[in-house]
Amino acid sequence: QSALTQPPSVSGSPGQSVTISCTGTSSDVGSYNRVSWYQQPPGTAPRLMIYEVSNRPSGVPDRFSGSKSGNTASLTISGLQAEDEADYYCVSYTSGNIVAFGGGTKVTVL
Amino acid sequence: EVQLLESGGGSVQPGGSLRLSCAASGFTFTNYAMGWVRQAPGKGLEWVSHISGSGINTYYGDSVKGRFIISRDNSKNKLYLQLNSLRAEDTAVYFCAKWGADDPYNYYYGMDVWGQGTTVTVSS
Repeated sequence: QSALTQPPSVSGSPGQSVTISCTGTSSDVGSYNRVSWYQQPPGTAPRLMIYEVSNRPSGVPDRFSGSKSGNTASLTISGLQAEDEADYYCVSYTSGNIVAFGGGTKVTVL
Repeated sequence: EVQLLESGGGSVQPGGSLRLSCAASGFTFTNYAMGWVRQAPGKGLEWVSHISGSGINTYYGDSVKGRFIISRDNSKNKLYLQLNSLRAEDTAVYFCAKWGADDPYNYYYGMDVWGQGTTVTVSS
């Protein structure tokens, strides 16, 4: 099972936008809309931020948005805030009921 | 309030076994697939296994297939993970997670509730 590829880190100043990419293949991200994103501040459990590429669960601020183009999914945080500093993971759910995680991206608020 | 509470973690020697439990509350347990995700020290998240609401269908990551067994008791609202033939690389925090549907392949809502995790250490 291949992991999805994410950049190790991204950073931005408060109020700026940052985008995290999640690159898979035509067998996972490229073929299915079963992509979700999770936020994990240090020492805490993950939290679902986006499901089915671009849908936000209730309670997630609308400055978090998701999209997909080809084999790459993306999470954008607009109006970056200090509380957004965390690790972010993408997940793809593929045929055969296989779950693939990205390696994680550390978001730093400067 | 929807809640998941893991237990059963601890220290074990290589080759040993351990059983993790996850007590669920606040939702109709049998209606949702449940799973386990782990995180080795300083590393990223890794999918371990998940199980359908009925318990009939089970799925495993390659690194644990043949060694770990997932199960659930819907009468007790509990999820389990039996860890056998443990290796040093199984050392991790193990999170219990609820999927947003019984069938994530056809109704994909992600893993919408997570427990706080239980720590497994495999060392001689």
